[in-house]
Amino acid sequence: AQSVTQLDSQVPVFEEAPVELRCNYSSSVSVYLFWYVQYPNQGLQLLLKYLSGSTLVESINGFEAEFNKSQTSFHLRKPSVHISDTAEYFCAVSFSGGYQKVTFGIGTKLQVIP
Amino acid sequence: EAGVTQFPSHSVIEKGQTVTLRCDPISGHDNLYWYRRVMGKEIKFLLHFVKESKQDESGMPNNRFLAERTGGTYSTLKVQPAELEDSGVYFCASSRTGWDEQYFGPGTRLTVT
Repeated sequence: AQSVTQLDSQVPVFEEAPVELRCNYSSSVSVYLFWYVQYPNQGLQLLLKYLSGSTLVESINGFEAEFNKSQTSFHLRKPSVHISDTAEYFCAVSFSGGYQKVTFGIGTKLQVIP
Repeated sequence: EAGVTQFPSHSVIEKGQTVTLRCDPISGHDNLYWYRRVMGKEIKFLLHFVKESKQDESGMPNNRFLAERTGGTYSTLKVQPAELEDSGVYFCASSRTGWDEQYFGPGTRLTVT
């Protein structure tokens, strides 16, 4: 069965510390991978995506994620977090190609502590 | 350009009542999606419209849920009659084509008591 697993429901981290949010998926077919972020009282926003090409993808606000096909993972990292990064982060996978019918993980709440 | 809007932002109804959620996609976006997040669980796909046609409704939980998109613009999602397990946040998203990024609305939080 195709599924997306986010192992950590909550991750507290001190400001300026590094963070990694983990995401694993289960699939026997090619996938497209996404990270979405939901800031308080806002809708979901696409943070970054992997469709093809370089396995390391970056966002404009310093996050990066690496597609690891052998480990079926797409972990999200940031070397130094800021208070404004406090949000809920969702890993998502399209098993059908493209953006249609995206399957989401359960979400990870990142709490940045001053 | 206005984003995806959803109305209401929060709805509290009693079991057995009817509720209608509305989604206004970004202008020009033919594709419209509904998702639902039950508390503590994943965001799950409900259905996908292309213009006014249902492209994929495989995620609709049961026949108490009715989605429409008359005229291919805004969409409504009606729950009738509502049950306790229908509580959650209902998200709408839209995209220009099925291969473009989906833009999400802020969601409607539905509480059934």
